[in-house]
Amino acid sequence: QVQLVQSGGEVKRPGASVKVSCRASGFTFTTYGFTWVRQAPGQGLEWMGWNSAYNGNTHYAKKFQGRVTMTTDAATSTAYLEVRSLRSDDTAFYYCAREKWANSYGDYWGQGTLVTVSS
Amino acid sequence: QSVLTQPPSVSGAPGQRVTVACTGSSSNIGARYDVHWYQQLPGAAPKLLIYGDKYRPSGVPDRFSGSKSGTSAFLAIAGLQAEDEGDYYCQSYDSSLSGMLFGGGTKLTVL
Repeated sequence: QVQLVQSGGEVKRPGASVKVSCRASGFTFTTYGFTWVRQAPGQGLEWMGWNSAYNGNTHYAKKFQGRVTMTTDAATSTAYLEVRSLRSDDTAFYYCAREKWANSYGDYWGQGTLVTVSS
Repeated sequence: QSVLTQPPSVSGAPGQRVTVACTGSSSNIGARYDVHWYQQLPGAAPKLLIYGDKYRPSGVPDRFSGSKSGTSAFLAIAGLQAEDEGDYYCQSYDSSLSGMLFGGGTKLTVL
């Protein structure tokens, strides 16, 4: 069965970076892409971008361009999201989802990773 | 501010039918980009409910249905059950943003 298992919660200082992982199983990793979505506590969903595990293509939301990097590692079937220059308003749950093509839909989701940014 | 507008809340009694609207513009829903719907139950990750305006993934009950007209999309939930309580989000592509966009979400309460 398709599973996406994300790394555990993180606490970071403002200005630091965080890298969240999303380990996939139950399907052929390199035939899909992965989208990343975040959700601040008590708020709605916010699309961050998409990354192809097939050819490495990326498509970032304008808001996050230059501050996030999405990558994949086919050897370990793992997708990664790195966010740099963290601010307090980056405190949120970060979700990965399997998404076949850019600008489509996430059909399976990870459990979420809480990133807390606090001094 | 989201450019996909959803009502903050809807409610209904068990067994009733409710509809959640998602209102966009000519740069997203009105441009005929697909609309997708997600269900997020309390404390859980989002789950795909409807894709491509009206298609249900395997395992989603046929009580859930999607439609689209003009610059709006609609999620209908028939035969409301207590376990349907949660938040519902629409999503579409927006050409002015050159990216995907979520609606603000609608909290469903089963009375």
